[in-house]
Amino acid sequence: DTGVSQDPRHKITKRGQNVTFRCDPISEHNRLYWYRQTLGQGPEFLTYFQNEAQLEKSRLLSDRFSAERPKGSFSTLEIQRTEQGDSAMYLCASSLAEDGTDTQYFGPGTRLTVL
Amino acid sequence: QKEVEQDPGPLSVPEGAIVSLNCTYSNSAFQYFMWYRQYSRKGPELLMYTYSSGNKEDGRFTAQVDKSSKYISLFIRDSQPSDSATYLCAISVNTGGFKTIFGAGTRLFVKA
Repeated sequence: DTGVSQDPRHKITKRGQNVTFRCDPISEHNRLYWYRQTLGQGPEFLTYFQNEAQLEKSRLLSDRFSAERPKGSFSTLEIQRTEQGDSAMYLCASSLAEDGTDTQYFGPGTRLTVL
Repeated sequence: QKEVEQDPGPLSVPEGAIVSLNCTYSNSAFQYFMWYRQYSRKGPELLMYTYSSGNKEDGRFTAQVDKSSKYISLFIRDSQPSDSATYLCAISVNTGGFKTIFGAGTRLFVKA
């Protein structure tokens, strides 16, 4: 399977704990995006990388959130001191910038539940 | 006003019906228009992509864009129960980096 993969698929944690999610994009894609999706809403943009550079962050991304893409391949999204409001589906997408269209392909998501 | 508006539904139709799904947007700078399908507890799957006004057809799916009205549509012909899902419109603009905004999604149920 050469699609976008995410790990874990589900995470249950207690309020105040730190969590880290991983995304492996389609291998030749140089752009990687993180989104958050809550029930009944579309994905909301969090941040994106072109290669290893983080080029944009949403104001939704508080100081408790950090994302990295150290070698321009996989990416991690860490949430520190989780709050119940962080419960959501976290989606990763990748695209190939050079094709001029930024068509994004999504992974299956990581569903986070904060108790 | 949201940048992209989409009726959340739910929309329920009998098998074989023609389905029409719609979005409106407010920013005339948006250039690229996409439709994604999302099954329950799965990631969105790209269905259609277009960047110009007019129609684009792919099998049972037709995407329509009217830039003058800032209105986009997805038509599904001969709808099947397997089409039951949430359909998300997404609109992008290239500002040096791409900005993509998603609609809230329309839940579609196709009854056998």
